[in-house]
Amino acid sequence: SAVISQKPSRDICQRGTSLTIQCQVDSQVTMMFWYRQQPGQSLTLIATANQGSEATYESGFVIDKFPISRPNLTFSTLTVSNMSPEDSSIYLCSVVAGGYGSTDTQYFGPGTRLTVL
Amino acid sequence: AQSVTQPDIHITVSEGASLELRCNYSYGATPYLFWYVQSPGQGLQLLLKYFSGDTLVQGIKGFEAEFKRSQSSFNLRKPSVHWSDAAEYFCAVAPISGGYNKLIFGAGTRLAVHP
Repeated sequence: SAVISQKPSRDICQRGTSLTIQCQVDSQVTMMFWYRQQPGQSLTLIATANQGSEATYESGFVIDKFPISRPNLTFSTLTVSNMSPEDSSIYLCSVVAGGYGSTDTQYFGPGTRLTVL
Repeated sequence: AQSVTQPDIHITVSEGASLELRCNYSYGATPYLFWYVQSPGQGLQLLLKYFSGDTLVQGIKGFEAEFKRSQSSFNLRKPSVHWSDAAEYFCAVAPISGGYNKLIFGAGTRLAVHP
């Protein structure tokens, strides 16, 4: 399995500012993802964080709003730019790692709860 | 388009009672299937998954799920619920072809457990 930590665990931000969320994994992983969970909603994939190249964004998400970095196989950041109250969500990092009988298991970090005023 | 339906938004059961949470998916072929649990203030924890083989899958915490291809369903069950099982449960699918690279989640079912 993989142990994933995220910083910060929560934050309250002002409209128009930006917040960078960090995701650290305790082992090297090939695939890392960022998800958003809006209040009372399910999870939606924002993007796949690619090591050494630009992230791959899902429909409805753009790099200018959610820039992602992945400098190595254990770390990634997601920035929520020019925030508005609609960005208030839980942002979760996930990785694909071996364990539980298969290499195709996706593990999630504890999430970052963001509130935008 | 691929989708996952969890018909029950909220379910309340008594402690010790049996539980079944429903999940149906829409996909061109049998995808990978997962159940995750999210406890209040916690991240998601994998309960179990189905890739192939035996259609009855055993997971952690006494949960099991049965894949029924004819019904495109992957329902989660537990014979006797504990108060600590109160949480939100998400069914998810991922495509098999082209590599495993993303999950599509259902809307979730919030489980309440009465003492």
